Parts: sequence; C-alpha cells; structure tokens
Amino acid sequence: QVQLQESGPGLVKPSQTLSLTCTVSGGSISSGSYYWSWIRQPAGKGLEWIGRIYTSGSTNYNPSLKSRVTISVDTSKNQFSLKLSSVTAADTAVYYCARGYYDSSGGDAFDIWGQGTMVTVSS
Amino acid sequence: SYELTQPPSVSVSPGQTARITCSGDALPKQYAYWYQQKPGQAPVLVIYKDSERPSGIPERFSGSSSGTTVTLTISGVQAEDEADYYCQSADSSGTYKVFGTGTKVTVL
Repeated sequence: QVQLQESGPGLVKPSQTLSLTCTVSGGSISSGSYYWSWIRQPAGKGLEWIGRIYTSGSTNYNPSLKSRVTISVDTSKNQFSLKLSSVTAADTAVYYCARGYYDSSGGDAFDIWGQGTMVTVSS
Repeated sequence: SYELTQPPSVSVSPGQTARITCSGDALPKQYAYWYQQKPGQAPVLVIYKDSERPSGIPERFSGSSSGTTVTLTISGVQAEDEADYYCQSADSSGTYKVFGTGTKVTVL
C-alpha cells in the first residue's frame, strides 16, 4: 500500500527557507487520480492546508501563504517538496504531506497522510 | 478567507451518540470530509463526500448535510473514539482547501 514519509531539517533559523521532501513508496506518484499536498499543524492548534501539486506540475497555494510557498514534484524520484521562505516563529509546526484523491463526481479527499515532521523556527 | 466553524468540544458517555457540526457558506456547493486525529498521530479520513464511509471505518461513524451545515455522528461511542475531529471542504471554486476549527470529543 502507498505510504508517505516526510524528511528535512527539524530546525530552521528565522528569515531562512524551510525545505521538506515527501517520499512516496508502494506506488507511483504519477498514477491514478491524485494530487499531492502539504498541511501543517502548530502545537495544540488546528490543521492548515498549505497547497497542492499535480504531477503535471500545476499548483494551488493557500492565499495566506502564497507569496512564500513553492511546491514542486520530481516524478523520477517519486517525491514532492515544499519550500517556505522568510520563516518566523509562527511557522513552527508539524508538517504533513498527504495524498489527495479526486473522482469524477467531485469527491476530493486527503486519503493517505505521512506521519508528520516537526519543524521549529528558532535562532 | 473562507472558514469552517466547529464547536470546540463535545462530551459524551460511552454508548451514547456524539454529534459534531461544521458550518460554512460554501458547504451547499462543496462536499465535506471528516478526519479523526488522535494525540501524536496523523489525521485519518472517516467520512468523505458528506456521508460516505471509507473501507475499514466502523459503521458507527456517519455523516449528513443540510444547507450550510454538515454533521458527523458517532453512534454508540466507544472509548477509542476520543480524539480531535476536523471537517474539511473547499471554497466555492473548489480550488482552495480549508479545515474546520476542530472539535475535541471526550468520552466520559
């Protein structure tokens, strides 16, 4: 079965760029009706959708983060990545990667999630 | 920005029924989804397209929709159902995804 695994630095300095990668195993990132998303959750708070990418390269970003976010995909490595620039302490959170499944009737859900990785922004 | 509103908490005795609401202006146009999140774990999809249940999710979980409100119902609540629950949908265009504020379900 398909599994997702986040990787990247757990500590990032303020004003720098946060970079994370999600590796997809157990299936091809290019197959099926899927897109690939990043979602984050500050400690003790709710979930925030960051953005998504289709394997065609098409992206959508949360308007509140759009100016700082870039999501890319490397189909040869079965990976997709997140870059968040100019980070502050407010970006400290658990970051999840997730698979979005969509169907012809308008259904569109996050059906598989990575375990999450904690990223702290601190000097 | 578009918001989905949930009650912060719901308390229920074992065997009783828990109902969690989620309100948003675009819900008549966009499907809603529900996720269960236990401490230290990633969320798990428990309801999709308002009322459908993924394979492996117990039948006691059900969903419904009426106008601008969707509801997750847990019938015959068990201790293992204690968790945070999040609704999720999209803005009216369907492009931007949004999560609800989250509801903590406590089993007394």
